Amino acid sequence: SQQGEEDPQALSIQEGENATMNCSYKTSINNLQWYRQNSGRGLVHLILIRSNEREKHSGRLRVTLDTSKKSSSLLITASRAADTASYFCATDAGQAGTALIFGKGTTLSVSS
Amino acid sequence: DAGVIQSPRHEVTEMGQEVTLRCKPISGHDYLFWYRQTMMRGLELLIYFNNNVPIDDSGMPEDRFSAKMPNASFSTLKIQPSEPRDSAVYFCASSKSMGGGTGELFFGEGSRLTVL
Repeated sequence: SQQGEEDPQALSIQEGENATMNCSYKTSINNLQWYRQNSGRGLVHLILIRSNEREKHSGRLRVTLDTSKKSSSLLITASRAADTASYFCATDAGQAGTALIFGKGTTLSVSS
Repeated sequence: DAGVIQSPRHEVTEMGQEVTLRCKPISGHDYLFWYRQTMMRGLELLIYFNNNVPIDDSGMPEDRFSAKMPNASFSTLKIQPSEPRDSAVYFCASSKSMGGGTGELFFGEGSRLTVL
């Protein structure tokens, strides 16, 4: 079953613009993670935010977490064509050592 | 480290044949996960192991699927007999134990299976 659901399903922007993707989940969590997948490749971890954190930054990435709304957002600033990929949020089920459950992802297309 | 290594990268087989997918996790990682990705269903967890022991196999679609982890450096996912609806990309991922939740997953490049 899907724990996280991303929104929008697809996003097209121009280089230099910001891209915002949202994720909603259903149960309590220990942490929420964002992954990126280039076409035909495996998923690559981007950032992890713990349930007691509200915001986290990594380079051009900014992630927020609102546990009261069970939602998270991923902001990519000053996007580049190389950011074109699918982005997934993933959550555990609130128990240490459980598997991550992934949403269906947001497909981001950045045109130059 | 070479990362998570999966083989084969591509497999085309006929319905009814046995398929074996292989995975070598990152050395020192004590969790191993098998996921399946399709356009319709997204990324689905099939099974995961901790210290070579299967912890949760509730995602395995049916008895035709089986997974083993005979040692810390090798795991297999077997489909017997295969069916066209098994066509998908199968990913293996590994991670280290992390206090307070599930750690970062390292994914292989996947095995793309086509069953004719």
